[in-house]
Amino acid sequence: AQKITQTQPGMFVQEKEAVTLDCTYDTSDQSYGLFWYKQPSSGEMIFLIYQGSYDEQNATEGRYSLNFQKARKSANLVISASQLGDSAMYFCAMRERSSGNTGKLIFGQGTTLQVKP
Amino acid sequence: DVKVTQSSRYLVKRTGEKVFLECVQDMDHENMFWYRQDPGLGLRLIYFSYDVKMKEKGDIPEGYSVSREKKERFSLILESASTNQTSMYLCASRTGTGGGGYTFGSGTRLTVV
Repeated sequence: AQKITQTQPGMFVQEKEAVTLDCTYDTSDQSYGLFWYKQPSSGEMIFLIYQGSYDEQNATEGRYSLNFQKARKSANLVISASQLGDSAMYFCAMRERSSGNTGKLIFGQGTTLQVKP
Repeated sequence: DVKVTQSSRYLVKRTGEKVFLECVQDMDHENMFWYRQDPGLGLRLIYFSYDVKMKEKGDIPEGYSVSREKKERFSLILESASTNQTSMYLCASRTGTGGGGYTFGSGTRLTVV
């Protein structure tokens, strides 16, 4: 069964508008962490934001925020005021406590975001 | 600045060749990982290592092996390359303690012809 699901293969957004990238997850662990990464066309993976399963507040980092709905098992990324440089592929990922100290990440399929001028 | 360096950005190899993909990190991280990335499938874990000479299979280890003789270096080996191993390969590392995320290399795009 897919542990991380990103249902939007591709998205378009107008520059300066906000966009939400969807992510749902499946785990039986009580303790886990959720990550979002950005991958520009150059290939490197850039860490954006982290949400712990016990964090009561939604995580925010600048223009990025994570809309964490634990009961629904969703962890959507919200990008406010989109910029042309936000055009990239975005990956949602999860680390389960049961993975121990290795901390291996499980990734979703990715969403390609294109920002239109 | 901390770094994970993958030795090649692009590689073209022939079917049946033995291929080595090298990854070096300068952060004294215990854990290192090899993923392959394919369109529509995201990143899938091939192998990981939690210490020198220690390794564990990930989700798709078939056709691959790894070597970690030194803490900073983690090599992915394709024993006999096949065309279905054409992919982007990403190396990552993280500390063995705490909640830190990964630091990724820039990736190696391998084409097997």
